[in-house]
Amino acid sequence: EAGVAQSPRYKIIEKRQSVAFWCNPISGHATLYWYQQILGQGPKLLIQFQNNGVVDDSQLPKDRFSAERLKGVDSTLKIQPAKLEDSAVYLCASSLRKPGANTEAFFGQGTRLTVV
Amino acid sequence: KNQVEQSPQSLIILEGKNCTLQCNYTVSPFSNLRWYKQDTGRGPVSLTIMTFSENTKSNGRYTATLDADTKQSSLHITASQLSDSASYICVVSLGYTGFQKLVFGTGTRLLVSP
Repeated sequence: EAGVAQSPRYKIIEKRQSVAFWCNPISGHATLYWYQQILGQGPKLLIQFQNNGVVDDSQLPKDRFSAERLKGVDSTLKIQPAKLEDSAVYLCASSLRKPGANTEAFFGQGTRLTVV
Repeated sequence: KNQVEQSPQSLIILEGKNCTLQCNYTVSPFSNLRWYKQDTGRGPVSLTIMTFSENTKSNGRYTATLDADTKQSSLHITASQLSDSASYICVVSLGYTGFQKLVFGTGTRLLVSP
């Protein structure tokens, strides 16, 4: 079974530039998460999709971050314009949708963003 | 406020020794608790998942315990190996109908030295 695919693996941009990350979840997984993980900290949820609908985006800085999930499969996360404090690893995860069940969340390898 | 706290923040042990990592949570409604291992530069990988009714679960040299009354969990690593060097993250899932929401701890960084 293929895992969660993310690209690119690394990205270096200057502040005020824009950047986009791509995620392909495991086939059949209805739930998709984007997390931001700053060095030395645990992942922080940015946005959670259920199919192509947003379930939770309460911690997404909407003035600069946006995300979409096309046709309930692939997803892109965009930052425009980037700030120095956006330097982090951006993790994508997916899981099956089973109400009340202990569904596993599988993570991609992440995209390491450095803003200079 | 839904929170997951882990201790210690970091830990260094000698190869072959045992260690125990702690996790306390204040999450409601509780669905399950997971322990993830995150190697440097990689995404987290699940070690165990425990529901409210489970007290202990093992995965090889990893044994997780859960006390739902005190809202505490521990991860015990037996006979540590160099490859155990990683961050260990405690994650609690909220029990919403229709979807699950994960609350992450900040992790314990474990270094196993030869």
